Amino acid sequence: QSVLTQPPSASGTPGQRVTISCSGTSSNIGSNTVNWYQQLPGTAPKLLISSNNQRPSGVPDRFSGSKSGTSASLAISGLQSEDEADYYCAAWDDSLSGPQVVFGGGTKLTVL
Amino acid sequence: EVQLVESGGDLIQPGGSLRLSCAASGFTVSSSYMSWVRQAPGKGLEWVSAIYSGGLTLYADSVKGRFIISRDNSKNTMFLQMNSLRADDTALYFCARESWQKGYSSGWFSWGQGTLVTVSA
Repeated sequence: QSVLTQPPSASGTPGQRVTISCSGTSSNIGSNTVNWYQQLPGTAPKLLISSNNQRPSGVPDRFSGSKSGTSASLAISGLQSEDEADYYCAAWDDSLSGPQVVFGGGTKLTVL
Repeated sequence: EVQLVESGGDLIQPGGSLRLSCAASGFTVSSSYMSWVRQAPGKGLEWVSAIYSGGLTLYADSVKGRFIISRDNSKNTMFLQMNSLRADDTALYFCARESWQKGYSSGWFSWGQGTLVTVSA
């Protein structure tokens, strides 16, 4: 059971817009930044969105992030076949046992 | 070129110990924010531990008291000493470098390729 809640799967056709949600609490998303990672099969994760809504250099502007309260979302517009991957949200959590990073369980995106 | 290379993964019996290494090039580990992140086979990502430039170390509850993170500045390498290993520690272990801005994490922007730890009798 992951601390952050993501839908296990999402899908869309080429050109469509899809969104992936990430729900947390006041101790993680509510008080810290959310970062999103893309993991293609058999590869290391890649930072996709940093600090809630910033795109690192090289990330296409088709990808965007937002945060409101204790929830965040990742949007992918103009879906392409190469976007088929697993997507994870992550945030630091100000837990009573000490700061820890918490992840969502991951969302497998299928391009139909 | 910035690079992270993990090593040390192996097949180990439950209760055993293992030390993972993360050799860095292109930047200085001692002045960076570094973490270990693991991924069990077919599962999602799980943060394990972090070591920061000032020496602060942090651990996930699942490994606290069993794992120790450290670094050797002369070798520009980070380590993860894993003790009392359990079957549920079986995973691909990645090291990653994190960025912070204005007191908030900007995420892990550089990753290694991972090293596989299998805990089984």
